[in-house]
Amino acid sequence: EIVMTQSPATLSVSPGEGATLSCRASQSVTSNLAWYQQKPGQAPRLLIYGTSTRATGIPARFSGSGSGTEFTLTISSLQSEDFAVYYCHQYNNWPGTFGPGTKVDIK
Amino acid sequence: EVQLVESGGDLVQPGRSLRLSCVASGFTFDDYAMYWVRQAPGKGLEWVSGITWNSNSIVYAHSVRGRFTISRDNAKKSLYLQMNSLRADDMALYYCVKGIGQYLGTLDVWGQGTTVTVSS
Repeated sequence: EIVMTQSPATLSVSPGEGATLSCRASQSVTSNLAWYQQKPGQAPRLLIYGTSTRATGIPARFSGSGSGTEFTLTISSLQSEDFAVYYCHQYNNWPGTFGPGTKVDIK
Repeated sequence: EVQLVESGGDLVQPGRSLRLSCVASGFTFDDYAMYWVRQAPGKGLEWVSGITWNSNSIVYAHSVRGRFTISRDNAKKSLYLQMNSLRADDMALYYCVKGIGQYLGTLDVWGQGTTVTVSS
């Protein structure tokens, strides 16, 4: 089973600033990596799949990059609605596995 | 609009069984893989199981293999999770999730979840 790690655990950002979230896999997942956003009391929402493809309706301020074992989610200018927990998920090897999440909160 | 409505969550004693259901609407159910993902209180997401559009390929997390069974009824647009030999660490909010394609891959749209509580 592939182990996913995320850093940092918590990221404090001021509105309007950018944020960079990291995700690492214990072995290569090629480009089969997705990112999800979860707000308190809500179900997760797909943001990015295939490392860098934005899901339907996701704003362009969200972008993904990386390959193999190292991946990044970048939020170019945080809006109030972006403060949430972000999870990465690999679906290259089964069972799929999630990272522990990065909480982005208001500085 | 894609909708996934889970049901069947309950308070159950350790060692007992429970069956979760998920009814789908707003999309062609038999065109997509489906999944169960769980989240223990205050914790992160855990991938539980996935099933392809035609049920030909099924995968389980190591933690539930041999105890849980995923299935689907395309005619009823429904997904199921039979959970046997429940343990305290199975206690979680269980989400039904639509895939992005016919085969196992990205998780797309999530339901609101159904809560399973395991306690004596």
